[in-house]
Amino acid sequence: NAGVTQTPKFRVLKTGQSMTLLCAQDMNHEYMYWYRQDPGMGLRLIHYSVGEGTTAKGEVPDGYNVSRLKKQNFLLGLESAAPSQTSVYFCASSKDSGGDTDTQYFGPGTRLTVL
Amino acid sequence: QQQVKQSPQSLIVQKGGISIINCAYENTAFDYFPWYQQFPGKGPALLIAIRPDVSEKKEGRFTISFNKSAKQFSLHIMDSQPGDSATYFCAAPFGNEKLTFGTGTRLTIIP
Repeated sequence: NAGVTQTPKFRVLKTGQSMTLLCAQDMNHEYMYWYRQDPGMGLRLIHYSVGEGTTAKGEVPDGYNVSRLKKQNFLLGLESAAPSQTSVYFCASSKDSGGDTDTQYFGPGTRLTVL
Repeated sequence: QQQVKQSPQSLIVQKGGISIINCAYENTAFDYFPWYQQFPGKGPALLIAIRPDVSEKKEGRFTISFNKSAKQFSLHIMDSQPGDSATYFCAAPFGNEKLTFGTGTRLTIIP
């Protein structure tokens, strides 16, 4: 099992450009999450999904959109990138409700720089 | 505001010493408190978690202590080793579906 994979690993964008980050999991997990990690800010939840076809806002959703068309994939989109979106992005998945007793499994991260 | 306050931000401990990281939380949806460990260039991974029907959980050199009345929990790393050097995050559930993470503690173990 590959676990949670993220594509791409690195990306540099110019302000105003758009891009999509792809997260894939092969553990048949229901719940998937997108976080951003910034120095001194910890992990902040952007959006999450409790199952195929569902999405919900997290703590810092502005400027991002997500889609969960297939159970194994969770896409994070930036429609018009801003320098404030420079960050490391992590995807995670969990079997059931991640806030309960279930472990969240994280991907290796995508380092995004917006110039 | 759903918050988990973690301290210290960084910690340097000598090899063989005890590393202690603290977290304080506000009202959570239920009692489940995990700690995640993150090595440079990697994603976080679950280290240890406690469901406080007990006040302490130990796994090898790692122990979680929980004080429900004070709304605090802490991670103790006994006999700290250079391989423990990493960033540690505490977390707490503020809903049935998600965790809120602390701001992280960068731990460095020096020889």
